[in-house]
Amino acid sequence: DADVTQTPRNRITKTGKRIMLECSQTKGHDRMYWYRQDPGLGLRLIYYSFDVKDINKGEISDGYSVSRQAQAKFSLSLESAIPNQTALYFCATSDLTTGHYEQYFGPGTRLTVT
Amino acid sequence: EDKVVQSPLSLVVHEGDTVTLNCSYEVTNFRSLLWYKQEKKAPTFLFMLTSSGIEKKSGRLSSILDKKELFSILNITATQTGDSAVYLCAADNYGQNFVFGPGTRLSVLP
Repeated sequence: DADVTQTPRNRITKTGKRIMLECSQTKGHDRMYWYRQDPGLGLRLIYYSFDVKDINKGEISDGYSVSRQAQAKFSLSLESAIPNQTALYFCATSDLTTGHYEQYFGPGTRLTVT
Repeated sequence: EDKVVQSPLSLVVHEGDTVTLNCSYEVTNFRSLLWYKQEKKAPTFLFMLTSSGIEKKSGRLSSILDKKELFSILNITATQTGDSAVYLCAADNYGQNFVFGPGTRLSVLP
């Protein structure tokens, strides 16, 4: 089973709709992240969370909100989707306690806003 | 503002060639530089570099960090078609967040 899962994997929605992307992890990591990826722009950080009570805005948080329901769950919401939010969205986790700082990524959610 | 730049953005080579991918960074509270390979799905971890001048190797891939000049390179020798991917580097801002570069798209032709 995958350590970091995302649902849905693909979603097409209309402008103005509210949509939620969900991320779950079984790695036991405290830190979770949401990124979006656009062609030629690499990964850009939307929000990150260091634990359930610690949520921080990233580089491009406008138009998005998040909820850390539990250590293992981190959801990203688009309150009113717009076409330029069409992108590939990745959730990731990391854990500093082992001294290994790499991030582990989920499989991604491809979102299309029409 | 934290920034990571990669070059080239795109590269086409033939099997057997050696390639060098570049990554430069400007990050406050820099701790480590990470390289990822992204094929058609999620990025997968390749290397983490924290110390200058110490080369890390994994098969035909190797990487080194220069913390004085603020850059890292990723070398791939004897390239194969399976090396075709986007290679991402990211600077770890002391655990606050990870700043990613735009990636280098490598295409290896048979």
